[in-house]
Amino acid sequence: GNSVTQMEGPVTLSEEAFLTINCTYTATGYPSLFWYVQYPGEGLQLLLKATKADDKGSNKGFEATYRKETTSFHLEKGSVQVSDSAVYFCALNVDNDMRFGAGTRLTVKP
Amino acid sequence: EPEVTQTPSHQVTQMGQEVILRCVPISNHLYFYWYRQILGQKVEFLVSFYNNEISEKSEIFDDQFSVERPDGSNFTLKIRSTKLEDSAMYFCASRWVTNSPLHFGNGTRLTVT
Repeated sequence: GNSVTQMEGPVTLSEEAFLTINCTYTATGYPSLFWYVQYPGEGLQLLLKATKADDKGSNKGFEATYRKETTSFHLEKGSVQVSDSAVYFCALNVDNDMRFGAGTRLTVKP
Repeated sequence: EPEVTQTPSHQVTQMGQEVILRCVPISNHLYFYWYRQILGQKVEFLVSFYNNEISEKSEIFDDQFSVERPDGSNFTLKIRSTKLEDSAMYFCASRWVTNSPLHFGNGTRLTVT
């Protein structure tokens, strides 16, 4: 079946620190991969996506590269800000099946 | 930018009562979904809906749950007889085609007392 495993949190960083949130997947077909972000009291918002192997998704300083050989889609940001504090969800989609990871809560302290 | 809207934002109900959660998906989207999230944790798939019928549902989506698209704009989730464990955030989502990103509403917080 299709599933996503992501790094458990919570993650606490100081402002300007480097961020990595690991995500690996298992899929029966050819998935598209996504990162969603959820700010307090809000729904999930698409952060970035990649639709095929070696694609790099990027947005707001965040990046993730679709690695088929390691079945991974790790999220990175070079310098986090307090405003990046949120819950981050890795997700995969195969046909009509969208699966989410358990979410990683990030807190960035000034 | 068009968005998915959900009402109400918060619903409190007594155990055993019926609730209807409402969603207006983005107008040109064809695929509709309900997810739930308990205590800000994992986002759990409930059901997907396409062409006026359920295309997939999870084991959570038992006989107490139903979905409907009563007109061209609304998409509803009904829970016939709520249980305490139904307390959660319920998110509606929609998308244009099956491999495009999901667009989520801001959710309805359901509290069953």
